[in-house]
Amino acid sequence: SQTIHQWPATLVQPVGSPLSLECTVEGTSNPNLYWYRQAAGRGLQLLFYSVGIGQISSEVPQNLSASRPQDRQFILSSKKLLLSDSGFYLCAWRIPGQGFTGELFFGEGSRLTVL
Amino acid sequence: DQQVKQNSPSLSVQEGRISILNCDYTNSMFDYFLWYKKYPAEGPTFLISISSIKDKNEDGRFTVFLNKSAKHLSLHIVPSQPGDSAVYFCAAIAGTSNTGKLIFGQGTTLQVKP
Repeated sequence: SQTIHQWPATLVQPVGSPLSLECTVEGTSNPNLYWYRQAAGRGLQLLFYSVGIGQISSEVPQNLSASRPQDRQFILSSKKLLLSDSGFYLCAWRIPGQGFTGELFFGEGSRLTVL
Repeated sequence: DQQVKQNSPSLSVQEGRISILNCDYTNSMFDYFLWYKKYPAEGPTFLISISSIKDKNEDGRFTVFLNKSAKHLSLHIVPSQPGDSAVYFCAAIAGTSNTGKLIFGQGTTLQVKP
C-alpha cells in the first residue's frame, strides 16, 4: 500500500532563517506531488506541484521554493523565512494520468511558526 | 481570485440533525468536485466526490448535490454525529487536467453538539 510521510511535524524558526520540509511517498512510482499551505483562517492554497523529477511548477509568487531530487521525494525550502510564511504545510500525491478520477492523498502536515 | 468559495466559516448543529455545507465556484471548466474532511494537526482526508454529469452522489450518511447552472454544490450529513466535527473543504478540478491540481475553498468548521 502507498504511504506518504512529511517531516518535521512541528517547526519554530526565527525570521530570516532557512527552511527545509521534506516529503516522501512509498509504494508507488512517478506520482504527481503537491505542496499546499493552510494559513490561519484561510483555505488550502496550492504552492507547488511536480509531475516528474526536476519538474516544478509554482502557483503563487512567494518566498518559497520546491525541488524534486528523486521520484518520490519532494522538498519545500526557503533561504530566509518571513513572518507570513507561518502556516500548516501539507504534502500530497496522486496517481498521474487518466485525467482526474481520484483524490489527492495528504501527508500528516508540518506546522511552521516563524517568530 | 477565489475560484472556489465556502462563504460560511463555521456551522453548529445538534447531534442527529442535518448538517448542510455549501460551496460555490466560478470556473466553468471545473467538472469534478470533492469534499475533504480535516481534523486539527492532521492532513485532509477524502470524503466524497461528484462528477459534473451527475447532480447527486450518496455515500452512507453523506450526500453531495451539484447544481451546475448555479455553480453551487452542497454536502449533506444526515444524521450528524459529534465525530463529524471537523473542518470541511470543498475542492474542484477540470477533469481533463493531467496535473491533478485541486483548487480548494476556505473551509467550513462544523461543530456537532451532543
